Amino acid sequence: QKEVEQDPGPLSVPEGAIVSLNCTYSNSAFQYFMWYRQYSRKGPELLMYTYSSGNKEDGRFTAQVDKSSKYISLFIRDSQPSDSATYLCAMSADTGGFKTIFGAGTRLFVKA
Amino acid sequence: GAVVSQHPSRVICKSGTSVKIECRSLDFQATTMFWYRQFPKKSLMLMATSNEGSKATYEQGVEKDKFLINHASLTLSTLTVTSAHPEDSSFYICSARDQGTSGADTQYFGPGTRLTVL
Repeated sequence: QKEVEQDPGPLSVPEGAIVSLNCTYSNSAFQYFMWYRQYSRKGPELLMYTYSSGNKEDGRFTAQVDKSSKYISLFIRDSQPSDSATYLCAMSADTGGFKTIFGAGTRLFVKA
Repeated sequence: GAVVSQHPSRVICKSGTSVKIECRSLDFQATTMFWYRQFPKKSLMLMATSNEGSKATYEQGVEKDKFLINHASLTLSTLTVTSAHPEDSSFYICSARDQGTSGADTQYFGPGTRLTVL
């Protein structure tokens, strides 16, 4: 079993749709949860950062962490064609040298 | 958010030559930087963890003599691909750990370097 599981997609939605991206994990020591957006041939860009459980909202993006279920989500409201990218979940713990484990990434296509 | 730069963005070299890639944290100090490799449509593969002032820690299967890492200052880490071969062609991305200056203890990535070995 991988430490972090993420459906690679692709996920195709019409413009304006609500997008739900998810990851599950197995290591209960993870405390830091991130979502990165990566456009083709570019480095990942940090979108959302959450420490421990809870929700965090930033504009059209909402990140949720449910540590009891070992499940994290990223919601994108009013999706735009410019949101088309690969979204990587990532998580890390204070132990083990702060090694960050990444999901496989979900490719999202938002159609105009 | 914190900014990490990477240079060069693209390099083409002949087989057998060495290539150096620089990674800089521009607005924060990073005691820890990471080097990743990414193949097309694949996720990030951690190659090594670079700690300022000490030897890098390499992941299993990564040749330390082939991928030389130097982290000489709190804002600069370099990756040198020695005696490059076509199979080393890839997208190399660095990241730097920002321990809270931007409000989060997390990694910020550089824009990546595309290496093509002929």
